[in-house]
Amino acid sequence: GAGVSQTPSNKVTEKGKYVELRCDPISGHTALYWYRQSLGQGPEFLIYFQGTGAADDSGLPNDRFFAVRPEGSVSTLKIQRTERGDSAVYLCASSLSSGSISTEAFFGQGTRLTVV
Amino acid sequence: AQTVTQSQPEMSVQEAETVTLSCTYDTSESDYYLFWYKQPPSRQMILVIRQEAYKQQNATENRFSVNFQKAAKSFSLKISDSQLGDAAMYFCAYRRPGTASKLTFGTGTRLQVTL
Repeated sequence: GAGVSQTPSNKVTEKGKYVELRCDPISGHTALYWYRQSLGQGPEFLIYFQGTGAADDSGLPNDRFFAVRPEGSVSTLKIQRTERGDSAVYLCASSLSSGSISTEAFFGQGTRLTVV
Repeated sequence: AQTVTQSQPEMSVQEAETVTLSCTYDTSESDYYLFWYKQPPSRQMILVIRQEAYKQQNATENRFSVNFQKAAKSFSLKISDSQLGDAAMYFCAYRRPGTASKLTFGTGTRLQVTL
């Protein structure tokens, strides 16, 4: 696609429920990142995929959070037993695999998750 | 661990004037990249400008320029001839070179542009 697409744009769920957030990266981008942006804060890194594998998942806050990218394209962030503290905007970014400064990470518009 | 600090939660500038947003960072690395991102209400992060640490020359992109002081670990953004469309949140970010390298962001500065 033309840009990084995230669905849904907004999600309201009840405490304790399971949610899935989807990210469709730019075609051909092998690197994919998930970030979480709490109110009034900058985005915080959650997980990084290179192809199908999670190369760095050090930012996942606990085992309720899990992400997959089975075919190296679309990724899904899964949150089990949601808590009110999980309320945030979840941003996805993709880029080419090169780590040079010219490799720009393109962001989606995020999913605003509200846990009530 | 690297940290990025933006000490100005909000800034205001009149249209056509110049404004400078501050950013400091902490790292033990000698080579790294620094970025300024703009986040309008649409939530999409947009890259404004980038700087390589080993380049002494300050980066410039049209009305946007940086003042990079490596020894002081300072990376400020100057916006000249401010426009109403510049109003947004601005985030300073750090990244190490390499393929598996995430961005570390500051807490942001909200820029208001007034007539």
